[in-house]
Amino acid sequence: SAVISQKPSRDICQRGTSLTIQCQVDSQVTMMFWYRQQPGQSLTLIATANQGSEATYESGFVIDKFPISRPNLTFSTLTVSNMSPEDSSIYLCSAARQGSGNTIYFGEGSWLTVV
Amino acid sequence: AQSVTQLGSHVSVSEGALVLLRCNYSSSVPPYLFWYVQYPNQGLQLLLKYTSAATLVKGINGFEAEFKKSETSFHLTKPSAHMSDAAEYFCAVSDAGGGGFKTIFGAGTRLFVKA
Repeated sequence: SAVISQKPSRDICQRGTSLTIQCQVDSQVTMMFWYRQQPGQSLTLIATANQGSEATYESGFVIDKFPISRPNLTFSTLTVSNMSPEDSSIYLCSAARQGSGNTIYFGEGSWLTVV
Repeated sequence: AQSVTQLGSHVSVSEGALVLLRCNYSSSVPPYLFWYVQYPNQGLQLLLKYTSAATLVKGINGFEAEFKKSETSFHLTKPSAHMSDAAEYFCAVSDAGGGGFKTIFGAGTRLFVKA
């Protein structure tokens, strides 16, 4: 398994500002992902964080709004840019290691409220 | 493309009664299937997973699920519900082939347990 730590765990943000969420895994992993969970809804994949290259974004998500970095095999960041109240969500980092049967492990999430 | 359908956004059972949460999937290749649980104000925890081995999968907290290819189903069961089982449950599918670790989640089923 993998232990995933996210910071911040919660934040209240002003409209128009940007916030960067950090994700640290306790061991090297093959893949890292970012998901969004809007209030009362399921998880939606934002992007796959690729080590040393640009992230791969899902339909409906763009790099200008959600820039992602992954400088090494254990760390990634997600920035939510120019926030609006619609961005109020839980943002979850996840990680998977090849050979783990495609199991994805999740952090506890970063709960963002935009006011 | 993969997809997951969870039948019933809310399920209510009495303590000690059988828990049955339904999940149907769609995948063009043999899937990996997962059940995750999310307790209030917490992140996701893996309950169990199917990765093409035994079709009956046992997980944590007394839960199990059976993979039925003919029915494209992966229903979650527990013989006797406990109050602590009250949570949101997510079924997820991952493409074991070219899709790599990308995981798609169902809409979720909230389980209520009555005393």
